[in-house]
Amino acid sequence: GAVVSQHPSWVICKSGTSVKIECRSLDFQATTMFWYRQFPKQSLMLMATSNEGSKATYEQGVEKDKFLINHASLTLSTLTVTSAHPEDSSFYICSAQRGGRETDTQYFGPGTRLTVL
Amino acid sequence: GQNIDQPTEMTATEGAIVQINCTYQTSGFNGLFWYQQHAGEAPTFLSYNVLDGLEEKGRFSSFLSRSKGYSYLLLKELQMKDSASYLCAVLDSNYQLIWGAGTKLIIKP
Repeated sequence: GAVVSQHPSWVICKSGTSVKIECRSLDFQATTMFWYRQFPKQSLMLMATSNEGSKATYEQGVEKDKFLINHASLTLSTLTVTSAHPEDSSFYICSAQRGGRETDTQYFGPGTRLTVL
Repeated sequence: GQNIDQPTEMTATEGAIVQINCTYQTSGFNGLFWYQQHAGEAPTFLSYNVLDGLEEKGRFSSFLSRSKGYSYLLLKELQMKDSASYLCAVLDSNYQLIWGAGTKLIIKP
């Protein structure tokens, strides 16, 4: 168990367009989901924490109006990169926490590689 | 500030044993995770330690010493498929996961 999916796996878009990435927990309910960004040869950078039914908590330096997060159900969170620019090109990874405790393990989706031309 | 240190890169031989160290200085401690990440893929969970001692899981073992702010991941009987980055992450007092930069492990035949 504890499978997390992401869609799409990769996307190429033009500068100025918006891109939506979906994160789903397939075999468990996730009260909390996390969105990360990872640049080549660097570690994961937490962008925001998403709780079902409430507003996401963004990390310092992450623009909430640019990276829109919606956690509409216990199995789905979406990240929309609005007005994407080439510097937004990165590997975006979501994770879902199974169980209601903060110490519960985060299980990661396969990631979405975004390239903005 | 919060800090997690792990070696940038290590090389080992197929069939051998390798130990990847992780030291941490964080505001509080609620557990330490090890994840494996193959190039271009998302991390996969390996282990979680919250109490001192060694936890063994097949070829992989993870050790924790909270008093020393130290953990290691031990990989035995190395296989080529173990070539990956290994990420150490600590859950701090706010239950925020603080990530190390990862150790790239290269396995040679």
